[in-house]
Amino acid sequence: SQQGEEDPQALSIQEGENATMNCSYKTSINNLQWYRQNSGRGLVHLILIRSNEREKHSGRLRVTLDTSKKSSSLLITASRAADTASYFCATDPNTGNQFYFGTGTSLTVIP
Amino acid sequence: SAVISQKPSRDICQRGTSLTIQCQVDSQVTMMFWYRQQPGQSLTLIATANQGSEATYESGFVIDKFPISRPNLTFSTLTVSNMSPEDSSIYLCSVLTGAEKLFFGSGTQLSVL
Repeated sequence: SQQGEEDPQALSIQEGENATMNCSYKTSINNLQWYRQNSGRGLVHLILIRSNEREKHSGRLRVTLDTSKKSSSLLITASRAADTASYFCATDPNTGNQFYFGTGTSLTVIP
Repeated sequence: SAVISQKPSRDICQRGTSLTIQCQVDSQVTMMFWYRQQPGQSLTLIATANQGSEATYESGFVIDKFPISRPNLTFSTLTVSNMSPEDSSIYLCSVLTGAEKLFFGSGTQLSVL
């Protein structure tokens, strides 16, 4: 299977709370990226973390990567209603520039 | 960054027919990809569209069913051939930029009756 696994499948939180979602993958990677998708259409790139990095920040986003466990987590702090979307991790295996997406986490932020 | 225009945005097709989806990029890119996303599911990579050579297909996808053209560095088409209801899905064109980020078109929502 191409896909990595993400959990939880769905997450519902109150505005202002933090949201954490996890991604596990299967092969060695060059990098791991997180994307957001609104309304089942085109995805938007959020953040990239390379295989030799352990943590990265971008605004309210914090990503960690543990290559020994083949896992990553995305933390969204101080969530807003506008963060409601599906979030996917994508991995770029060492075999080439193809990107494979995880199963996704559907986040709902309640105002 | 890259701006991608994907057409059509949606279509309803009859079983047994074919649909060609177009993807136009506003800049030259080496790597273009086609993904499928079934309702409520994740993205599945169909193939990598290589300029000047045949597309590279992922396991479970074949050229006869999903022929791809890539005539230049800004354009690609994906054809869904001999459609069945199981082909109902969103099809997404994507490009890889020098910053190692994927940019996506807005997708084509295909319904097969």
